[in-house]
Amino acid sequence: DGGITQSPKYLFRKEGQNVTLSCEQNLNHDAMYWYRQDPGQGLRLIYYSQIVNDFQKGDIAEGYSVSREKKESFPLTVTSAQKNPTAFYLCASSVGLYEKLFFGSGTQLSVL
Amino acid sequence: KQEVTQIPAALSVPEGENLVLNCSFTDSAIYNLQWFRQDPGKGLTSLLLIQSSQREQTSGRLNASLDKSSGRSTLYIAASQPGDSATYLCAVLSNDYKLSFGAGTTVTVRA
Repeated sequence: DGGITQSPKYLFRKEGQNVTLSCEQNLNHDAMYWYRQDPGQGLRLIYYSQIVNDFQKGDIAEGYSVSREKKESFPLTVTSAQKNPTAFYLCASSVGLYEKLFFGSGTQLSVL
Repeated sequence: KQEVTQIPAALSVPEGENLVLNCSFTDSAIYNLQWFRQDPGKGLTSLLLIQSSQREQTSGRLNASLDKSSGRSTLYIAASQPGDSATYLCAVLSNDYKLSFGAGTTVTVRA
């Protein structure tokens, strides 16, 4: 089955710790995205990538980092600089930039 | 900056009633508008995508209309079922290639 896989489903971060969220797709899509979802708010873009080895900051990139070494993979690291990391994180992909988006099932990150 | 609003934030209807969900946006210079469904604790599933040149799109019981000049889109779901209970989000792709999401409308269909 083609799709986007995010792992883990739940993640807990300790003070001062960096954590990495995984996103893998087998749809052969060029574009990939990371969004943050907070209760009662619309999704906000953290980073996006149009092609391997290239990525761009979104609206709320501070405290986050990404890499795109393979077409299939776009991991997101939440660094200790992100002071309010508790949120639901969604990875998405599309054939071309902002064409029909396909989403993963999300990772809920909480702070211990 | 594009602002996308979905009102109401929540609604509850009896099974069989038609659903009407609203999405408004402030800048009419858009490429397209998408409607998504999100189940609790899950990702988003694309329902319909309307290009700026289109007035509506249909898929089964779902119909979405777009009035760009007034900055509005409406998602109609005919003959609602309990399985339609979910949060519905709209997203607008502006001409500056920014995708802006609304906060969503949470729908409960009572059996």
